[in-house]
Amino acid sequence: GAGVSQSPSNKVTEKGKDVELRCDPISGHTALYWYRQRLGQGLEFLIYFQGNSAPDKSGLPSDRFSAERTGESVSTLTIQRTQQEDSAVYLCASSLGLGLPSETQYFGPGTRLLVL
Amino acid sequence: QKEVEQDPGPLSVPEGAIVSLNCTYSNSAFQYFMWYRQYSRKGPELLMYTYSSGNKEDGRFTAQVDKSSKYISLFIRDSQPSDSATYLCAMSPGAGSYQLTFGKGTKLSVIP
Repeated sequence: GAGVSQSPSNKVTEKGKDVELRCDPISGHTALYWYRQRLGQGLEFLIYFQGNSAPDKSGLPSDRFSAERTGESVSTLTIQRTQQEDSAVYLCASSLGLGLPSETQYFGPGTRLLVL
Repeated sequence: QKEVEQDPGPLSVPEGAIVSLNCTYSNSAFQYFMWYRQYSRKGPELLMYTYSSGNKEDGRFTAQVDKSSKYISLFIRDSQPSDSATYLCAMSPGAGSYQLTFGKGTKLSVIP
């Protein structure tokens, strides 16, 4: 079956512009996660969705970052007024959402964002 | 001090060698430990998952957790060029916690 897909694969933008990153999770997965991976750094948790609700937004680095999910499916991560430090790979993952600690998170290939 | 420390390498070994990858952590609440493999320009994929202390073996891969030392390891036996990737350790407190804390990843190259 299809895995997690993300679009665009690459995005180059100018400082100050807004960008939208899209994630299509595995069908039937109710949990969805966004991570950021800066060059030479580990994955950094941004936000978690259970269904269409985001009970944990603690990882969002600033109020320029927001995310939504609709239809318990597609999610969009929006970065407003992009800064150069926002340059990173943005990874989306999904899981069954049963709340089991051993639940596997399946990752998409990521969106590589470069802010000039 | 970061919660999870992992030597980024790079690590280069000849084909057939035994590879040892390690992470240390500071948060004693971590109970679930994972190793992910990430090929270039791909998302991470789960390799091994271990709960609490002990060993787990899966084919050529063995994961070890020593909670008393806050130290986890991944061993790869008979390494192959296809094992060349970045290996990320990840951990969580479990029990309803979904948030994974990752190490920086170790870049491994297996030379034919």
